[in-house]
This record gives sequence, structure tokens and C-alpha cells, in this order.
Amino acid sequence: DIQMTQSPSSLSASVGDRVTITCRASQSIGNYLNWYQQKPGKAPILLIYAASTLQTGVPSRFSGSGSGTEFTLTITNLQPEDFATFYCQQSYSLPRTFGQGTKVEIK
Amino acid sequence: QLELQESGPGLVKPSETLSLTCSVSGGSIRGSYWSWIRQPPGRGLEWIGYFFTSGNTNNNPSLKSRVTISADTSKNQLSLKMTSVTAADTAVYFCARGGVGSGYTWFDPWGQGTLVTVSS
Repeated sequence: DIQMTQSPSSLSASVGDRVTITCRASQSIGNYLNWYQQKPGKAPILLIYAASTLQTGVPSRFSGSGSGTEFTLTITNLQPEDFATFYCQQSYSLPRTFGQGTKVEIK
Repeated sequence: QLELQESGPGLVKPSETLSLTCSVSGGSIRGSYWSWIRQPPGRGLEWIGYFFTSGNTNNNPSLKSRVTISADTSKNQLSLKMTSVTAADTAVYFCARGGVGSGYTWFDPWGQGTLVTVSS
């Protein structure tokens, strides 16, 4: 199985900040990497697929980059509604696997 | 707009079988891949397996042969059965479209999820 490791596990930030979350794969996955946002008690929603393609309707302050084994999710100008847990997920091979999540909290 | 809704018993006894249904509205389940994903309370996401309406299916090896995923195209529903459950199977169970197939894939949309507690 491909292991996905996110860092940090949690972070505190203020409205207006720029936030970067890193996701590392245990082997090269090309750009077969997706990002999801999950708020408490809700299902995850897709933010970014294929490492850098923004899902329709997702604000442009979200961006993704990377390939191979290292990927980043960046949120610029953090908004109150962005406080949530973010997960990366590889779609390179079965079984599909997720990172452990990064919780973005209000400072 | 495609909508998914999970349903099933919220409480299952240890060693028994967990059975859930995912009802899909706003589109047909035919021709798409469908996945089940679970999330233990306070923890991360685990992919359980997928079903394609041609009958192709695959499960996470971590769950061994306890899982069966199938579909009823006449009802536009998916189902998940998991045998010999233990407390470790307590989780919110989600169904989602996609995530598997050729090329780039992702899970979207997701159902709201349903909590299943395994306890006597």
C-alpha cells in the first residue's frame, strides 16, 4: 500500500494568513493526488484533483502543486470558512489511501 | 445534481453483519464507479472498496474477505455488507462516486455519512 503522510498534523492560523500543508507519498505517484476539505460532522468535499486542478466552484485562494512524492496545498488569504481538516489522497494505485489529515484551527 | 444518501442500522452487535445502503438520486448509477469509505470517530479516512456496474469490484485487503459491495440498478442503490464486525469497525460510513477507474480519479460527490456503532 502507498502510505500518505501529511504535515503538520495541525496548525493555528489567523484570517488573512497564507497556509501551506504538505503531503508525502511513500513512493512516486506522479500527479495522482487529490485534496479534500472536511468540516466537523460533514462529508469531505473535493478541492483539488490531479495535484493542481481546482474542482469547479472551489475558490481560487486554494491551490495545489507537486508531483512524484511531495505535494502541497496552499490557502492564501485564509477565510473563516476555511477552518477545517484537510486530507490528501492518492489515486495512483489500489488500495486508495489518504493522509492522516491536517486540522487548520483559528489562532 | 447527483445526491447520495446512506442508510442502515446505527447499532450492530459484535460478530454480526453490518449492512448499509447508499441511495443515489439525480443520476443513474450505471456506468460509474462507486466507493465506500469509512472514518472511525476522531480519526482519518479509510477506503473500503469499489463497485462498477459491470460487476467489477475490489476491496481493501486490510478488510480481507469480510466486505461485499454490490448494486441494485433497478433501485439505483449500492450496498455494503461487512461480516464479523468488531468494535474496530465503529465508524461513519460514506458512499462516494468515483475514485477508481482509468486516468485521474477522485471521490465526488460524497453522501452525508452514517454512523455505525458496534456494541453489544
